[in-house]
Amino acid sequence: QKEVEQNSGPLSVPEGAIASLNCTYSDRGSQSFFWYRQYSGKSPELIMSIYSNGDKEDGRFTAQLNKASQYVSLLIRDSQPSDSATYLCAGYNYGQNFVFGPGTRLSVLP
Amino acid sequence: GAVVSQHPSRVICKSGTSVKIECRSLDFQATTMFWYRQFPKQSLMLMATSNEGSKATYEQGVEKDKFLINHASLTLSTLTVTSAHPEDSSFYICSARDPRVNTEAFFGQGTRLTVV
Repeated sequence: QKEVEQNSGPLSVPEGAIASLNCTYSDRGSQSFFWYRQYSGKSPELIMSIYSNGDKEDGRFTAQLNKASQYVSLLIRDSQPSDSATYLCAGYNYGQNFVFGPGTRLSVLP
Repeated sequence: GAVVSQHPSRVICKSGTSVKIECRSLDFQATTMFWYRQFPKQSLMLMATSNEGSKATYEQGVEKDKFLINHASLTLSTLTVTSAHPEDSSFYICSARDPRVNTEAFFGQGTRLTVV
């Protein structure tokens, strides 16, 4: 059973702080990883993708991938109340389906 | 990014009736689309993979005769919930991979189905 695991939270951080979201995966064949943000009652929205080991930065977001440890993370700098949402981690093995984690609920406190 | 449009966004139906949900890729051709179901405070559950021009591939435990999937063109997949029951009430979401942007998947807006 291929799995992606996340701490369900809620993770609470004060406004302006760094939010750190973590994800582990079991399928060593996974080559691509994605972070989606989902607001309550809405569909997931892709915010970051990462394909190789190391860091990838996009604005306030930094994704980190460590394939040896089968670990993916998302850092959100200068967290804002509007960042409060559920963040889904997903792994993809070419030719197969996306596997989603259960999501981590983030709450940014003003 | 690529756009995937899902319709309707909300639907209320009576038990025993059927409901059709449409998923369209607006600016790319999607040979494969995915249908998910999400219950409150739970993660996405893949129901089936919709393949253009062929039968859908259903996940274990998903009744193919109840959840009919048709992928008649490269830009449209439909999910029909037949003989709906209150326990089918859920948030149904489709997604499609845009082959132009590697493997990224984009989601439709979702359909909130309530069966009364």
